[in-house]
Amino acid sequence: GQQVMQIPQYQHVQEGEDFTTYCNSSTTLSNIQWYKQRPGGHPVFLIQLVKSGEVKKQKRLTFQFGEAKKNSSLHITATQTTDVGTYFCAGVLGNEKLTFGTGTRLTIIP
Amino acid sequence: EAGVTQSPTHLIKTRGQQATLRCSPISGHTSVYWYQQALGLGLQFLLWYDEGEERNRGNFPPRFSGRQFPNYSSELNVNALELEDSALYLCASSTTGSKQYFGPGTRLTVT
Repeated sequence: GQQVMQIPQYQHVQEGEDFTTYCNSSTTLSNIQWYKQRPGGHPVFLIQLVKSGEVKKQKRLTFQFGEAKKNSSLHITATQTTDVGTYFCAGVLGNEKLTFGTGTRLTIIP
Repeated sequence: EAGVTQSPTHLIKTRGQQATLRCSPISGHTSVYWYQQALGLGLQFLLWYDEGEERNRGNFPPRFSGRQFPNYSSELNVNALELEDSALYLCASSTTGSKQYFGPGTRLTVT
């Protein structure tokens, strides 16, 4: 079955440093979504990427979808304490269910 | 607009008992998804209901079951509870294939 892996599993960064999480799928995806889960909270949708090679930005966050539509990345520039949480990618294949990645837990060191 | 709601917030059961968790989707959403999130771990897909039918099922034993009602709300039932069933159970709703909106979850503790 479809698998979606994320690396790293954990990331500790100093406040102000950059952060990147990578997502890889075993199969070509129709689209990929990114979610953020704050500690003690529930996942919240951030963005969806559909086109091969697509790049989208949300303030300090940059999302990329690979040319082969099998991988994606989320890059945060100059992290802030509000960025703390677990970031999940989630891949969609055709009309199938969303398959969530394993998540990357980001911790910010003030 | 009201978000996804789940009840109860917390549920404590003993091993062998049955648990029923409830979810009300956002108005207009026909799809409901259930996920299990054990402490510190990722989201494990349980079930997907759309228009009252089960569309997909994750790799969980048959004692995990559910249903979707005509008003699109949903129930998750877990029979013969085991200690390892202790987790946060998240419900999400969407229009089919689009982004998912998550509820606050039900924290199930099995003792």
